[in-house]
Amino acid sequence: DAMVIQNPRYQVTQFGKPVTLSCSQTLNHNVMYWYQQKSSQAPKLLFHYYDKDFNNEADTPDNFQSRRPNTSFCFLDIRSPGLGDAAMYLCATSTATGGYEQYFGPGTRLTVT
Amino acid sequence: AQKVTQAQTEISVVEKEDVTLDCVYETRDTTYYLFWYKQPPSGELVFLIRRNSFDEQNEISGRYSWNFQKSTSSFNFTITASQVVDSAVYFCALTEGDRKLVFGTGTRLLVSP
Repeated sequence: DAMVIQNPRYQVTQFGKPVTLSCSQTLNHNVMYWYQQKSSQAPKLLFHYYDKDFNNEADTPDNFQSRRPNTSFCFLDIRSPGLGDAAMYLCATSTATGGYEQYFGPGTRLTVT
Repeated sequence: AQKVTQAQTEISVVEKEDVTLDCVYETRDTTYYLFWYKQPPSGELVFLIRRNSFDEQNEISGRYSWNFQKSTSSFNFTITASQVVDSAVYFCALTEGDRKLVFGTGTRLLVSP
């Protein structure tokens, strides 16, 4: 019954070593989001896809990239992880942007050593 | 600019007590949407409720109730007869029109037996 699935749940990577986080959904939603959440903070939107249209937040570092090969899957690529990128990464989906509720996955906790 | 304030950082109650989580928002738009999400220790944000700016009706869902007052720009959340399973971080969030979701800083609720 899982609707938004994130793999892996825990990821350890080395400083500077590229890493990819994955998200899939069974809701057939048009929009997929990636959020970064650091300890005791609110989620921070990195970017989102509306169908194939990519929308980057102005303050998202270039180190973060995303791909959405089809409706169901979306990937977060961190090209050269730094210690400051250690966080929980949350994927979410919604029917459309704006006033529609977002459905979140369980998150991937990234550790950078 | 949109802003959400959750002044209560952490609340501790004993099981069966009622508890109210405060949320105050700022917006210049007449059309906006308010949300509450629950984030249990497992990390996944769970959608609880959405309210649009034209609907000031209060809502009750089981032990949960929400009080939306445009006059005070507040959207407070009350849990009646709290249970240990209610322990989580609760986020209030706002979106204006088609813009991104803006979260408050969250309130951590600890319910002890």
